[in-house]
Amino acid sequence: GENVEQHPSTLSVQEGDSAVIKCTYSDSASNYFPWYKQELGKRPQLIIDIRSNVGEKKDQRIAVTLNKTAKHFSLHITETQPEDSAVYFCAAGSSNYQLIWGAGTKLIIKP
Amino acid sequence: SAVISQKPSRDICQRGTSLTIQCQVDSQVTMMFWYRQQPGQSLTLIATANQGSEATYESGFVIDKFPISRPNLTFSTLTVSNMSPEDSSIYLCSVTGQGSTDTQYFGPGTRLTVL
Repeated sequence: GENVEQHPSTLSVQEGDSAVIKCTYSDSASNYFPWYKQELGKRPQLIIDIRSNVGEKKDQRIAVTLNKTAKHFSLHITETQPEDSAVYFCAAGSSNYQLIWGAGTKLIIKP
Repeated sequence: SAVISQKPSRDICQRGTSLTIQCQVDSQVTMMFWYRQQPGQSLTLIATANQGSEATYESGFVIDKFPISRPNLTFSTLTVSNMSPEDSSIYLCSVTGQGSTDTQYFGPGTRLTVL
């Protein structure tokens, strides 16, 4: 079946450094790629998303890039802060409105 | 975005019993979904709740175990039937807004423990 692979499973970076999380999808019909942040005990929250007609999107310290040819997309967080510590999930969606989810990346920001 | 609430927020249940989880949205939404999330794991889609018709279940989930209702565009319920300890998990509803059919927003979740 369709799947989304997400790497790494855990990422530890020094506060102030950048973090990059990568996802690869298999369904060539995928056209919507959201990223969610989930803090411990909380609901997943949408932080940024991109559609297949766009190659890059930025929102302050967060950016997402999409390479449709290679079927991968990445989340970039610059100038990381302690509050960025959380689990991040990527997902891929197509016309049936369902999302295929990555396994998640635990981001640890070291002070 | 819509305000989504779930009831109960948590519960501890005995094996063999059933629990109904409610998901209420403060505005009409297009799609409603039910997910399960085990601790430290990703989200697993249980089913899509269809307004006025039977839910669409994913592989591995059946209506007898997880009956779902969606009587209108703002409300849905998920029942976990004949529970076993393996059903212990967090159950989340999500919705897509009127202006979008792909962006999903999540309710706060229901933490279920089955003894």
